[in-house]
Amino acid sequence: AQTVTQSQPEMSVQEAETVTLSCTYDTSESNYYLFWYKQPPSRQMILVIRQEAYKQQNATENRFSVNFQKAAKSFSLKISDSQLGDTAMYFCAFMNYGGATNKLIFGTGTLLAVQP
Amino acid sequence: EADIYQTPRYLVIGTGKKITLECSQTMGHDKMYWYQQDPGMELHLIHYSYGVNSTEKGDLSSESTVSRIRTEHFPLTLESARPSHTSQYLCASSGALPPYEQYFGPGTRLTVT
Repeated sequence: AQTVTQSQPEMSVQEAETVTLSCTYDTSESNYYLFWYKQPPSRQMILVIRQEAYKQQNATENRFSVNFQKAAKSFSLKISDSQLGDTAMYFCAFMNYGGATNKLIFGTGTLLAVQP
Repeated sequence: EADIYQTPRYLVIGTGKKITLECSQTMGHDKMYWYQQDPGMELHLIHYSYGVNSTEKGDLSSESTVSRIRTEHFPLTLESARPSHTSQYLCASSGALPPYEQYFGPGTRLTVT
């Protein structure tokens, strides 16, 4: 069974600084995606960034980038130039697309607070 | 605009009542999902559907039931609500092609008194 672990329940960062959120996962599958989702307070869950396991290049979306270490099964999220609007719960998620379900397995989340 | 909708957003109801949480999507997606999010914020899959007339139970056991009579509609029903059902319920949908990204609705926060 796949598991996703986020070892940082809460983090804080000053506005304009850089922060890294950690995520590790465990799987024996070879075909999978990894995602970071953001859930702002009382607002909708949205996708921040995704990484295909077969791609060696780390995904980047504007201020958000990942450090994907496949052998170590690590998938950290770096947020550069943090903004107040980045304050949210961040979930790391795994999806094995070899089957028909495409279920997401979520970590327990990291609550990020961006301080002015 | 393609989107995924959930109603109601908030619901406070007494023990023993029957409730239905609505979820609709206009994205043309075949796959739909229900997640339960507990107060600690962890998300657990409770139901999913591959398409019309297809429903399966998820990883977390739930007393709720679902139906999928139309592609765009995936309601969740609790026949007799209990305080243990108090939680946030998130609906999501995804397409059949890579990268299978799931799009989430705004959620229904249910409180059973």
